[in-house]
Amino acid sequence: AQKVTQAQTEISVVEKEDVTLDCVYETRDTTYYLFWYKQPPSGELVFLIRRNSFDEQNEISGRYSWNFQKSTSSFNFTITASQVVDSAVYFCALSRETGTASKLTFGTGTRLQVTL
Amino acid sequence: GAGVSQSPRYKVTKRGQDVALRCDPISGHVSLYWYRQALGQGPEFLTYFNYEAQQDKSGLPNDRFSAERPEGSISTLTIQRTEQRDSAMYRCASSTDRGPYEQYFGPGTRLTVT
Repeated sequence: AQKVTQAQTEISVVEKEDVTLDCVYETRDTTYYLFWYKQPPSGELVFLIRRNSFDEQNEISGRYSWNFQKSTSSFNFTITASQVVDSAVYFCALSRETGTASKLTFGTGTRLQVTL
Repeated sequence: GAGVSQSPRYKVTKRGQDVALRCDPISGHVSLYWYRQALGQGPEFLTYFNYEAQQDKSGLPNDRFSAERPEGSISTLTIQRTEQRDSAMYRCASSTDRGPYEQYFGPGTRLTVT
């Protein structure tokens, strides 16, 4: 069975602080995909990133960066110089690599509150 | 292009009534998924289709829940004899059938059973 744990229920930071959201996963598969989604107050789910288990290189996109460590089964997400618009619930998710479409297993989410 | 659309956006129904929730995927996306999201939780998988074939319905909670996608495009999730515990956000997502399989979500249907 697959499982995703986001131990941080809620994080509050002041604007311009850096913040890291933790994600730990469990799977028996040797190949799999990891994802992060953002759910802003408006409620939609916005895709942020997908990572293949073969690729352990860290990725940076603007103020966002992701640290994938297979040895610790973690896929953490860092926001540098946070902004009020980053306030949202962030979900980490896991899917199998089946060669075709596959369902996502989500964590319970981390609510990030960025204040002025 | 247009994203995933869902209708209705909000549905209030009385216990015991049947409801039908509709999803229109991104054009060209052959894979379609249904998830349910309770308040304060992450989405939970219900079922998914490749084209018109229902590939996995392991997440449907009981036989009151069913889904179809008869022409491989629009899908309907039907809940019969609704119960209060069915109240949740129902989300639809679509993806291509080739990698990298990112799923794009619709705005959801908020179902409230009174």
